[in-house]
Amino acid sequence: AQSVTQPDIHITVSEGASLELRCNYSYGATPYLFWYVQSPGQGLQLLLKYFSGDTLVQGIKGFEAEFKRSQSSFNLRKPSVHWSDAAEYFCAVGSPGSWGKLQFGAGTQVVVTP
Amino acid sequence: DTAVSQTPKYLVTQMGNDKSIKCEQNLGHDTMYWYKQDSKKFLKIMFSYNNKELIINETVPNRFSPKSPDKAHLNLHINSLELGDSAVYFCASSHVSGVGDEAFFGQGTRLTVV
Repeated sequence: AQSVTQPDIHITVSEGASLELRCNYSYGATPYLFWYVQSPGQGLQLLLKYFSGDTLVQGIKGFEAEFKRSQSSFNLRKPSVHWSDAAEYFCAVGSPGSWGKLQFGAGTQVVVTP
Repeated sequence: DTAVSQTPKYLVTQMGNDKSIKCEQNLGHDTMYWYKQDSKKFLKIMFSYNNKELIINETVPNRFSPKSPDKAHLNLHINSLELGDSAVYFCASSHVSGVGDEAFFGQGTRLTVV
């Protein structure tokens, strides 16, 4: 069975500092990997996705993520955070033949301080 | 031009009542989903419909009955509401082409059972 782990429940980062959110997955083959962001009171917005090919993927809002098969990881990064990046971030895993079903991690809440 | 829209956004109701949440997507997708986000923000799939047919039912109590009158709509009816049903319910849609297309989410419906 596939699973997703986000080890950090809560991260506090200063505005302008770099950010890295961790995501580890468990799946027998190469899964489809996603990062979603949920701003307070809002729905989920896709930041980026990985299906195959280049292991470094670029997303919206200046985010990028790197797929590392050897570490079963798909960590999200941003070089310089803005106050508007304060939100809940979810890593999700899908797989071929699963009818688009996504399995989500528990989420990481990001707080941005001045 | 909301891609996935849910109504209502907030729903407060008493235990034992029956309520419905409506969802519509204008993306031309063939698959729609209901996800439940609990108080700890954990997201879990409940149902998936592909071309109006139920594809995924994740052991949800039969008090929950999804209905898909057409590909663009997936409604969720809940009978005999219980306190534990309080959560945020997200509708989503995607085009399941076998290449892991991402899911687009609605804004969520916050259901509070009192």
